Amino acid sequence: RKEVEQDPGPFNVPEGATVAFNCTYSNSASQSFFWYRQDCRKEPKLLMSVYSSGNEDGRFTAQLNRASQYISLLIRDSKLSDSATYLCAVNSRGFQKLVFGTGTRLLVSP
Amino acid sequence: GAVVSQHPSWVICKSGTSVKIECRSLDFQATTMFWYRQFPKQSLMLMATSNEGSKATYEQGVEKDKFLINHASLTLSTLTVTSAHPEDSSFYICSARDRDGYTFGSGTRLTVV
Repeated sequence: RKEVEQDPGPFNVPEGATVAFNCTYSNSASQSFFWYRQDCRKEPKLLMSVYSSGNEDGRFTAQLNRASQYISLLIRDSKLSDSATYLCAVNSRGFQKLVFGTGTRLLVSP
Repeated sequence: GAVVSQHPSWVICKSGTSVKIECRSLDFQATTMFWYRQFPKQSLMLMATSNEGSKATYEQGVEKDKFLINHASLTLSTLTVTSAHPEDSSFYICSARDRDGYTFGSGTRLTVV
């Protein structure tokens, strides 16, 4: 079983739609959680960290469910510019390395 | 914010030659640098963790003699792909832990012909 798993998609949604991605992790010792955005042939850019209480940044909301070992990302009012691959990443207590999921591709159409 | 400068951004080399990729932390000291590889339509796979002044830690299945990592200073880590072959063609990217999280280099697209 992969340490971090995501549905690769693609998710095709119209502008203005709300879309949600989930990411599951297998290591119960995972401590820190992140969502990254990656555009084609570019490096990943941090979208947001995920906190235990959940957090929101504009149209983006991230949540963590430790009991079920998954994190989620909700994008409201999708924009064309949101089209990208969204990667979740986790690291474990005492380890600095960041482990990525396969990424979920989002395509927002007019 | 923190910046990691990665060079070259792309390189084409002949099969059998070696290629060196550099990553520099510009405004912070990176005692640890992570090297990832990403094949098309796949995720970033951690290859190794480089530690300043000591040997790198390689992930399972990554040949340490083929992917040489040097982290001689607090601001520079290098990855050398030795005797490159077409199957080594990929997107290589480094990352460093900084105060706010992780900062990534802009990546190196390696094509071996």
